Amino acid sequence: GESVGLHLPTLSVQEGDNSIINCAYSNSASDYFIWYKQESGKGPQFIIDIRSNMDKRQGQRVTVLLNKTVKHLSLQIAATQPGDSAVYFCAERLGGGKLIFGQGTELSVKP
Amino acid sequence: DTAVSQTPKYLVTQMGNDKSIKCEQNLGHDTMYWYKQDSKKFLKIMFSYNNKELIINETVPNRFSPKSPDKAHLNLHINSLELGDSAVYFCASSQGGGGYTFGSGTRLTVV
Repeated sequence: GESVGLHLPTLSVQEGDNSIINCAYSNSASDYFIWYKQESGKGPQFIIDIRSNMDKRQGQRVTVLLNKTVKHLSLQIAATQPGDSAVYFCAERLGGGKLIFGQGTELSVKP
Repeated sequence: DTAVSQTPKYLVTQMGNDKSIKCEQNLGHDTMYWYKQDSKKFLKIMFSYNNKELIINETVPNRFSPKSPDKAHLNLHINSLELGDSAVYFCASSQGGGGYTFGSGTRLTVV
């Protein structure tokens, strides 16, 4: 659905701390989920994905957790760095390959 | 080589004009998309083409007309531009329903 907030949700963390960004998705039939990172002036970039038959997937410094019971997705970033500052989007894939994006969370890393 | 390239990067035009945005991908992907990102960073799918065939058309005004001359190109033509069309437009491509690769966006400003 459409974004309903007036402001983008923000998360501010200290450099070196771990970050957790949460996302609620809407369709219980979605079979594939992706996290994207969007830096200022750029397009969204793929970070990590997870299929609905999994509940956890790890990448380099990032972990995605999927809880299908409550339709919740989270992205954990270990040892957050200034270069991680960006807007993060979760996306769910519906039937036919259509990717629906969540609202986005702005991560700000303080040095 | 840029995987998904869009031109122009910036477009400023007057209300009522007609303009086009071009997109090309060199990834060999079979599906291409146009997304619109509003001022709240919300990303909404507009169109999707698979091998030059329109497969997704989300309630977009018919002033917007996508054209895919071949599977590596998907252009977006907009007639009679309105103030509300101001946004960042992203082209993306995917293969086999996997994650999308996005272009760097076209910032359209209608004055």
